[in-house]
Amino acid sequence: KQEVTQIPAALSVPEGENLVLNCSFTDSAIYNLQWFRQDPGKGLTSLLLIQSSQREQTSGRLNASLDKSSGRSTLYIAASQPGDSATYLCAVDTGFQKLVFGTGTRLLVSP
Amino acid sequence: GAVVSQHPSRVICKSGTSVKIECRSLDFQATTMFWYRQFPKQSLMLMATSNEGSKATYEQGVEKDKFLINHASLTLSTLTVTSAHPEDSSFYICSARSWEEKLFFGSGTQLSVL
Repeated sequence: KQEVTQIPAALSVPEGENLVLNCSFTDSAIYNLQWFRQDPGKGLTSLLLIQSSQREQTSGRLNASLDKSSGRSTLYIAASQPGDSATYLCAVDTGFQKLVFGTGTRLLVSP
Repeated sequence: GAVVSQHPSRVICKSGTSVKIECRSLDFQATTMFWYRQFPKQSLMLMATSNEGSKATYEQGVEKDKFLINHASLTLSTLTVTSAHPEDSSFYICSARSWEEKLFFGSGTQLSVL
């Protein structure tokens, strides 16, 4: 059974810092891995999707890497801003777009 | 971009009543819809997968008679929580898959059962 773990569970940083969020999964047989942002009481916003054959994806200040063999992914956020405060979720696609989510990292960026 | 509308965003009901949650794809046809729930401080867990015109497929441990899913059209899926109890209080969220196999999420429904 696929299990997804995210570390740290919570993170508080001052504005401007670069930070790394970690995601690990137990079964390397995945189709892709996505990083989402979830704001309180709201839905999910897809940030980055990495196909199983890819090593990384970049969008603006965000960079996500994937090491499928070791079951790890990282989300790098450069020059963090207060507007980045949210819960970040990683999810692996186990097939037919059935996603297994991690428990998330709650990020707070202080001005 | 594609939008998935989910209603209501928040509902409070008495124990024993039934609650219906709607998930509608506004500008695309959804071949498949997924329903997830999230208990406090836990991860989103897939409850069921539904294809238009077919019976939903439920994940292990999810009671199909309690969580009724109807996917009557390519743009609408509903989740009905029947005879809701306090332990059903959770955040429910849907996602819809387009013909291009892209996923779009609704904004979620916070259910509180008193």
